Amino acid sequence: EAQVTQNPRYLITVTGKKLTVTCSQNMNHEYMSWYRQDPGLGLRQIYYSMNVEVTDKGDVPEGYKVSRKEKRNFPLILESPSPNQTSLYFCASSRAGTEYNEQFFGPGTRLTVL
Amino acid sequence: QKEVEQNSGPLSVPEGAIASLNCTYSDRVSQSFFWYRQYSGKSPELIMSIYSNGDKEDGRFTAQLNKASQYVSLLIRDSQPSDSATYLCASPDSNYQLIWGAGTKLIIKP
Repeated sequence: EAQVTQNPRYLITVTGKKLTVTCSQNMNHEYMSWYRQDPGLGLRQIYYSMNVEVTDKGDVPEGYKVSRKEKRNFPLILESPSPNQTSLYFCASSRAGTEYNEQFFGPGTRLTVL
Repeated sequence: QKEVEQNSGPLSVPEGAIASLNCTYSDRVSQSFFWYRQYSGKSPELIMSIYSNGDKEDGRFTAQLNKASQYVSLLIRDSQPSDSATYLCASPDSNYQLIWGAGTKLIIKP
């Protein structure tokens, strides 16, 4: 089954404790992206990757890191999480980052930082 | 910076009626539009893509793109309670990153 997977699905952590949210897709997509979604603020892009070893900042990259060492994986790293990073996070992928950028989303990771 | 705007709703429609959702955008660069459906607490799901002027139909869904007037709409025929969700409109910017509307909450009343 073609899909985007994320782990963990739910995470409660404390301020300053480094964490990684994994994202993997099995569709051989070149493009991957991370979003956060907060009530009243809609979907905001954190980072994206047009291909392996190519990453770029989205609209809200502060406090996050990403890497794209393999085509299928695009982990999101929070080196020192803070309460304002409490949010619902989505990973998405598409065949290519072009005007035909049909993105398919993972199930989401609900993160709470205490 | 291109903006994509949607009425946040909620839009309430009786079961069996046509639901009409609209999205406007602020510049003329976009060639592609996407409609996503998102149930509460779930991830967005792509339901329609439209790349050219005119209508595109897929089952009960019809997307309409009018580039001259800079709007795109989504019609849902024979609305069902299961169509109750938030509908997001998105379009790529000049770097091909999707710009998202805030979403319209649709409520189908039995």
